[in-house]
Amino acid sequence: QSVLTQPPSASGTPGQRVTISCSGSSSNIGTNTVNWYQQLPGTAPKLLIYTNNQRPSGVPDRFSGSKSGTSASLAISGLQSEDEADYYCAAWDDSLPGVVFGGGTKLTVL
Amino acid sequence: EVQLVESGGGLVQPGGSLRLSCAASGFTFSIYWMSWVRQAPGKGLEWVANIKHDGSDKYYVDSVKGRFTISRDIAKNSLYLQMNSLRAEDTAVYYCARDIQGDYIYYFDYWGQGTLVTVSS
Repeated sequence: QSVLTQPPSASGTPGQRVTISCSGSSSNIGTNTVNWYQQLPGTAPKLLIYTNNQRPSGVPDRFSGSKSGTSASLAISGLQSEDEADYYCAAWDDSLPGVVFGGGTKLTVL
Repeated sequence: EVQLVESGGGLVQPGGSLRLSCAASGFTFSIYWMSWVRQAPGKGLEWVANIKHDGSDKYYVDSVKGRFTISRDIAKNSLYLQMNSLRAEDTAVYYCARDIQGDYIYYFDYWGQGTLVTVSS
């Protein structure tokens, strides 16, 4: 059981916009910033979004993040086949203390 | 170019020990927090432990406290994870990651390729 809650799966067709939610509590998302990682099949995770809504260099602006209260979401617009991957949210949790992850969302491009 | 290269994984019997290493290059290792993150087969990511840039602070997930020890050697630009009393549930790919840490901020901006640890008799 992960500390942060994500839907196990999401899907969309090419060109569509999809969103992935991430729910936490006051000790993690409610206090600290949220980050998102993308894990393509058979590869190591990669930083996708940091401090709620910032994109590292090289990440397309089709990817965006937001946070409100104890929840966050990742939006992917103009969905492409290469976006098919697992997506994880994460944040520091003051009560542990340590980093907590969501269980991951498997995105399928139909 | 930032590079993190893990090594030391393998097959070990329950109750056994293993020491993972992570060789860092392409950045000033001595000023960054570092972490180990693991992923059991077919499962999600789990943060395992982190260590302050000078080694003075360390944090662990509850499931490994008292069994795993994180350390670093600044002179060798290396991060380590000593794993003792290994259990079947420790079977996972172990990733080394560089941490970015600040007020209300904590994320991993670079990851290694991972090393597989299998605990089985």
